[in-house]
Amino acid sequence: GAGVSQSPSNKVTEKGKDVELRCDPISGHTALYWYRQSLGQGLEFLIYFQGNSAPDKSGLPSDRFSAERTGGSVSTLTIQRTQQEDSAVYLCASSPRRLAGVNEQFFGPGTRLTVL
Amino acid sequence: QQQVKQSPQSLIVQKGGISIINCAYENTAFDYFPWYQQFPGKGPALLIAIRPDVSEKKEGRFTISFNKSAKQFSLHIMDSQPGDSATYFCAATSSGTGNQFYFGTGTSLTVIP
Repeated sequence: GAGVSQSPSNKVTEKGKDVELRCDPISGHTALYWYRQSLGQGLEFLIYFQGNSAPDKSGLPSDRFSAERTGGSVSTLTIQRTQQEDSAVYLCASSPRRLAGVNEQFFGPGTRLTVL
Repeated sequence: QQQVKQSPQSLIVQKGGISIINCAYENTAFDYFPWYQQFPGKGPALLIAIRPDVSEKKEGRFTISFNKSAKQFSLHIMDSQPGDSATYFCAATSSGTGNQFYFGTGTSLTVIP
């Protein structure tokens, strides 16, 4: 079946502009994560959605970052007034319903954001 | 604060050699330790994972060694192949929360033919 998809694959924007990054999770997966991967850094957790529960936003670095998930499926990460330090690869991952313990995360290919 | 520390940052190994990547953690609540493999332009993919009730897990050429008392775990790639050249991330999470994975900074592995 189809994996996690993200769009666009690459985004170049000017400092101060807003950007929207999209994630289509695997059908039926109830959990969705956003991560940021900067050069030479690990994966930085941004936000987590689980079903209809309130999202865990504890990883969002500033109030310029926000995310929503419509209908429990597609998610959009929005970065307002982009800064050069926002340049990174933004990864989305989805996971099936958590019955007990840990469920594997399936990652998309990422969106490479470059802020000029 | 980095919850999971990974080393080395980069590694070059001859074909047929053994690649070893190390990770250390502090949070004793962590009880699931996956390793991810990432090729350029792709997202990370789960390679192998271990729980702390065993000291070793082997899948093909890939082995995780786990030392609970030292709070360390490592990935061993036996008979390394050029196709193994990728970035490897260790991670840790607690099944009690299960929603947040803490990743190491990654190791770029190059296997020379």
